Amino acid sequence: NAGVMQNPRHLVRRRGQEARLRCSPMKGHSHVYWYRQLPEEGLKFMVYLQKENIIDESGMPKERFSAEFPKEGPSILRIQQVVRGDSAAYFCASSAPGQGNEKLFFGSGTQLSVL
Amino acid sequence: AQSVTQPDIHITVSEGASLELRCNYSYGATPYLFWYVQSPGQGLQLLLKYFSGDTLVQGIKGFEAEFKRSQSSFNLRKPSVHWSDAAEYFCAVGLPADYKLSFGAGTTVTVRA
Repeated sequence: NAGVMQNPRHLVRRRGQEARLRCSPMKGHSHVYWYRQLPEEGLKFMVYLQKENIIDESGMPKERFSAEFPKEGPSILRIQQVVRGDSAAYFCASSAPGQGNEKLFFGSGTQLSVL
Repeated sequence: AQSVTQPDIHITVSEGASLELRCNYSYGATPYLFWYVQSPGQGLQLLLKYFSGDTLVQGIKGFEAEFKRSQSSFNLRKPSVHWSDAAEYFCAVGLPADYKLSFGAGTTVTVRA
C-alpha cells in the first residue's frame, strides 16, 4: 500500500546539466501535480497532469522546464540546463479521478541542489 | 490576489505545553482550508481540513483548528505537545472543487524537553 513515491530523494547537479525527477502516484491515482518549494517559501503549484495529458502548466517556468506523465511509468519533471536558482525541494502529489485539492497525497520530495 | 500568511517562521515550545500556529488567508471566497505537517525526511501529511460546517475541526495526532471567517484565520492548536510534534507545519488553502493549493511559508516547531 505504497504512497506517492518520489526519487531520487536528493539530486546534485552542476550548472548546465539536466535534472530528471520521478514521481509514481498512489495506486489507483491517475492525476499528478508537481509543486516547488524555494528556500523559506511555501510550496508553489507548477503543473497538473493526467495520463498522457498536461492539464494545467500555469505554474511552470516558460523555459527549461517540462513535465510528462506517460501511459506507462512514472511522471517525470525535467529541468534542462539547470541554474543555481533551480535549487529547491520538488514535491509531487496525486489524487484519484474526481478528487482534487480535497484529497491530495504528497510524496517526500526531491531536494535538488545545483552547484 | 490570493495569499496565505503564516506569521511565525519558528516557534519553540516545551514538551507538554500548548501550541498554537497562526494562519491568515486572503481569498475572494471562503476557500477550503488545510493544515499539513512535514517531519524530517517525510512527505507532507494532512493533519486536518475544513470545507464547511462546524468551525472547530478535529484532526489527527490530537490537533484541532478553528476557522474564523471574520478574521480570515485558520489557526492550529494542540493542548499538549509531544517531542514527536517537532516538524514543519504548512497552512494551505484552495478553491472548492479545484485542484490547486496555495501554501504558506511554513512554521518550524521545535520541542524542548
